[in-house]
Amino acid sequence: KAGVTQTPRYLIKTRGQQVTLSCSPISGHRSVSWYQQTPGQGLQFLFEYFSETQRNKGNFPGRFSGRQFSNSRSEMNVSTLELGDSALYLCASSLAPGRSEAFFGQGTRLTVV
Amino acid sequence: AQKVTQAQTEISVVEKEDVTLDCVYETRDTTYYLFWYKQPPSGELVFLIRRNSFDEQNEISGRYSWNFQKSTSSFNFTITASQVVDSAVYFCALTLYNQGGKLIFGQGTELSVKP
Repeated sequence: KAGVTQTPRYLIKTRGQQVTLSCSPISGHRSVSWYQQTPGQGLQFLFEYFSETQRNKGNFPGRFSGRQFSNSRSEMNVSTLELGDSALYLCASSLAPGRSEAFFGQGTRLTVV
Repeated sequence: AQKVTQAQTEISVVEKEDVTLDCVYETRDTTYYLFWYKQPPSGELVFLIRRNSFDEQNEISGRYSWNFQKSTSSFNFTITASQVVDSAVYFCALTLYNQGGKLIFGQGTELSVKP
């Protein structure tokens, strides 16, 4: 069974640009969550999607957005990139929100220059 | 508000030593789930265990064991006879029953096992 797949693995963007990250969950999983990991703030929850609906949102500015498609694949978008957005972005999938194990992808390493 | 504290930032042990990683959580909710994840240098978070708030039974899985104590709001993780492959960052996390998949992570403990 394939795990959670995140693309791309590495990305370098310039300040002010926008970026889209993709996450394909484990087959059969309908819940997808996104996390930002930085050395200073650690792992922080961005948002969660289940059946194409955003169920939960973390404390991030509106520049961070996401969506989920009917096949459960999810994308997150960051507009007007700032240097502080440089981070490892991790996606997790689970069968159902919260009450089952969440399996993580290897992440997308975003560097903003 | 909910919070997870892993007071040990870094731990270094020699192979075959036992090591315990501490995790203390804060929540007023009575229904919640606790997790431990391992993050090797590759970056992927590897699921180790999930425990619900009504199940205080300790669990053992091979060289790994977990001690859940609601009275002290702790969910500690012990590795017996550590190996070099156990070197990684370990995260404890909490989610509330009514908050779906929102995991609140501790800051992580970096474990280094030297040969």
